[in-house]
Amino acid sequence: GAGVSQSPRYKVTKRGQDVALRCDPISGHVSLYWYRQALGQGPEFLTYFNYEAQQDKSGLPNDRFSAERPEGSISTLTIQRTEQRDSAMYRCASSLLAGAPDTQYFGPGTRLTVL
Amino acid sequence: GDSVTQMEGPVTLSEEAFLTINCTYTATGYPSLFWYVQYPGEGLQLLLKATKADDKGSNKGFEATYRKETTSFHLEKGSVQVSDSAVYFCALRGRQATSGTYKYIFGTGTRLKVLA
Repeated sequence: GAGVSQSPRYKVTKRGQDVALRCDPISGHVSLYWYRQALGQGPEFLTYFNYEAQQDKSGLPNDRFSAERPEGSISTLTIQRTEQRDSAMYRCASSLLAGAPDTQYFGPGTRLTVL
Repeated sequence: GDSVTQMEGPVTLSEEAFLTINCTYTATGYPSLFWYVQYPGEGLQLLLKATKADDKGSNKGFEATYRKETTSFHLEKGSVQVSDSAVYFCALRGRQATSGTYKYIFGTGTRLKVLA
């Protein structure tokens, strides 16, 4: 079946612009996670959802970052007034179960470059 | 807070050599432990996991044992192949004391290069 998809795959934007990154999880998966990965580093947790409820947003760097999952499926990560330091790979992952240490399935990521 | 430390790469081995990639963790409570692999040009995928002390996760000839006494989860493979060349990430899933929610913490990754 289809895996986790993310769009766009690449995004180049100018400093100060807003960007919206989309994640389409595997159908039926309850949990959805957002990560940011800098070059040469591991994924850094940003936030996650169970169904449409945002469970933990402690990893969001500041209030320019927000995420939503209004219908418990597709999620959007929005970065307002982008800055050069926001440049990174943004990864989405989904898992079938909410409470268990279930396998996370990662999407291909969105490479964001802020000029 | 919780953290994961893994050995720095790159690790370069000849085909059929023995592989060890060290991973240690710091966490309160009883986290679950994972190894993820990222092949060139691809996303991360789960390689193996262990959910409690003394559990051994294994997959594709790789294995790792959850050692609570040494807070370690070292990845091993007896005979590596060129196709194992990738970046390997150690990770933990721990429960946050204040919120009660779960969070995944990843190590910085170890690049493995296997030469024919």
